Amino acid sequence: QVQLQESGPGLVKPSETLSLTCSVSDYSISSGYYWGWIRQPPGKGLEWIATIYHSGTTYYNLSLKSRLTMSVDASKNQFSLKLSSVSAADTAVYYCARVEPGMGYHDYWGQGILVTVSS
Amino acid sequence: DIQMTQSPSSLSASVGDSVTITCRTSHNIYNYLNWYQQKPGKAPRLLIYGASSLQSGVPSRFSGSGSGTDFTLTISSLQPEDFASYFCQQTYTTGYQTYRTGYTFGQGTKLEIK
Repeated sequence: QVQLQESGPGLVKPSETLSLTCSVSDYSISSGYYWGWIRQPPGKGLEWIATIYHSGTTYYNLSLKSRLTMSVDASKNQFSLKLSSVSAADTAVYYCARVEPGMGYHDYWGQGILVTVSS
Repeated sequence: DIQMTQSPSSLSASVGDSVTITCRTSHNIYNYLNWYQQKPGKAPRLLIYGASSLQSGVPSRFSGSGSGTDFTLTISSLQPEDFASYFCQQTYTTGYQTYRTGYTFGQGTKLEIK
């Protein structure tokens, strides 16, 4: 059973950089799937953020692209997200997920981590 | 960009009822449409992928249909554990398309007990 776990600070100050890591268990991050980040502001819907392949090929949500950096560390079986210049609008539960490369469906998800942007 | 319209935004039904949720896209996405269930405080759960394929472990009372721009999720004989929120997601991509639009989600449907 593939398991994903998000980690990172739960509170980030405005204008600073949000940094999250997703640790993957029981599946090699280099084994052919893509890996993604999705977020959900409190009480609202889901927003796709970015998707990365273990080779480093990355696809970003255009509305966030200028602030986003995503990377893979295959040696640790982890992938990471950095979102710069955050504001209150970036307050959300952030999920990481495994992405099937053909149809793009997200079949395994982490439990999510609430990140609040506040001074 | 591919726009998605999911309806209704909320729905009340009783145990044993059958319900249908609709997702429409602004462009032809063939069968690149997935459905997720989400319960409060939990991560989304994949129900249907490729418009009509049932994810492993998902009860057969869930079914999906459609292609092109019109898609439906049907839940027959509602069970108490089915009352949750449901989201559609389009994942139609070419390299350029992914860059432009990403894996867009619908706005969601909250299914409540009547």
